[in-house]
Amino acid sequence: EAGVAQSPRYKIIEKRQSVAFWCNPISGHATLYWYQQILGQGPKLLIQFQNNGVVDDSQLPKDRFSAERLKGVDSTLKIQPAKLEDSAVYLCASSLQDSRNQPQHFGDGTRLSIL
Amino acid sequence: QKEVEQNSGPLSVPEGAIASLNCTYSDRGSQSFFWYRQYSGKSPELIMSIYSNGDKEDGRFTAQLNKASQYVSLLIRDSQPSDSATYLCAAYSSASKIIFGSGTRLSIRP
Repeated sequence: EAGVAQSPRYKIIEKRQSVAFWCNPISGHATLYWYQQILGQGPKLLIQFQNNGVVDDSQLPKDRFSAERLKGVDSTLKIQPAKLEDSAVYLCASSLQDSRNQPQHFGDGTRLSIL
Repeated sequence: QKEVEQNSGPLSVPEGAIASLNCTYSDRGSQSFFWYRQYSGKSPELIMSIYSNGDKEDGRFTAQLNKASQYVSLLIRDSQPSDSATYLCAAYSSASKIIFGSGTRLSIRP
């Protein structure tokens, strides 16, 4: 079974520039998550999709972050404009369904550095 | 108060000993709990999940859940240098959200 695919693995941009990340979840997984993980901290949920609908985006800084999952499979996360504090690893995860018995499977993440 | 709390460590354990990692949570309605291992520069990898009070064993790993006291623990028997990593505790809350702790760094010394 192929895992969660993310690209790019690394990205370096200057503040105020824009950046986009891509995620392809495990085949058949209806639920997709984007997390931000700052060094030394646990993952923080940014947005959760169930198929192509948003379930939770309460912690997404909507003035600069956006995400979509148009066909209920792949997803993109965009930051525009980037700030220094956005330097982090952005993790995508997926699960079969959103339920208490369904653990999440993570991709390798995108390490973002803002100069 | 953080929703899921872990001691950041580092926790240093000699090779072959038992490593004990602890986690407390504030939402009494939390239903499921997960332990993830994260190597430096890598993504979290699921080790154990536990849903009921008591112990759950899988190889060298044992997860323990005490809902009355609101704590979860992970025991690693016969610790190996390859167990050196950050261990993340996560809880599936009553609001149907998975909340992660900040992780405990474990170091196994030869």
